[in-house]
Amino acid sequence: DAGVIQSPRHEVTEMGQEVTLRCKPISGHNSLFWYRQTMMRGLELLIYFNNNVPIDDSGMPEDRFSAKMPNASFSTLKIQPSEPRDSAVYFCASSRQGNTEAFFGQGTRLTVV
Amino acid sequence: GENVEQHPSTLSVQEGDSAVIKCTYSDSASNYFPWYKQELGKGPQLIIDIRSNVGEKKDQRIAVTLNKTAKHFSLHITETQPEDSAVYFCAARNTGNQFYFGTGTSLTVIP
Repeated sequence: DAGVIQSPRHEVTEMGQEVTLRCKPISGHNSLFWYRQTMMRGLELLIYFNNNVPIDDSGMPEDRFSAKMPNASFSTLKIQPSEPRDSAVYFCASSRQGNTEAFFGQGTRLTVV
Repeated sequence: GENVEQHPSTLSVQEGDSAVIKCTYSDSASNYFPWYKQELGKGPQLIIDIRSNVGEKKDQRIAVTLNKTAKHFSLHITETQPEDSAVYFCAARNTGNQFYFGTGTSLTVIP
């Protein structure tokens, strides 16, 4: 298995532009998580999907952030419009439901200038 | 929701010594506690985990202990090696299936 695949690995964009981050979870996993990692706040859970349905999006910072999971093998995290304070590493993780580990992707390093 | 606290934030040890990282959690219903190691430029990777029906688990030089009553769990690395240098995260998974992470411990093993 290729693991959780995220794209792009790096993204540099100008303030105000739309940014879309992509994630392909591990086949057979029915839970998907989006995290944001910064030095100041560590790993923050943004949103959690179960069976493609958003279960908890209380971690999404504001309306500029949105996430979708149209099918079991694909999810997107969109920021529109982007701001410099959104600069961070964004991780996608997937797992089976229950007492099992989450597998992380390599992350997308986002820089908004 | 769950609140996971992790200490210390940084830890330096001499090669061969032991390292201990401690975490506490708030939700008594949390039932799964993984530990992740994150190397520079990579995503976190699981190194060991423990479930709430177990008090201790060991895998070679790594061990984890869980005290459900006190709601704390710890990672122990013995005979540390330079390649153990990384950021370590504890996490708790609650009955809602979300993972909540501690703020991380940057471990440096000095040769």
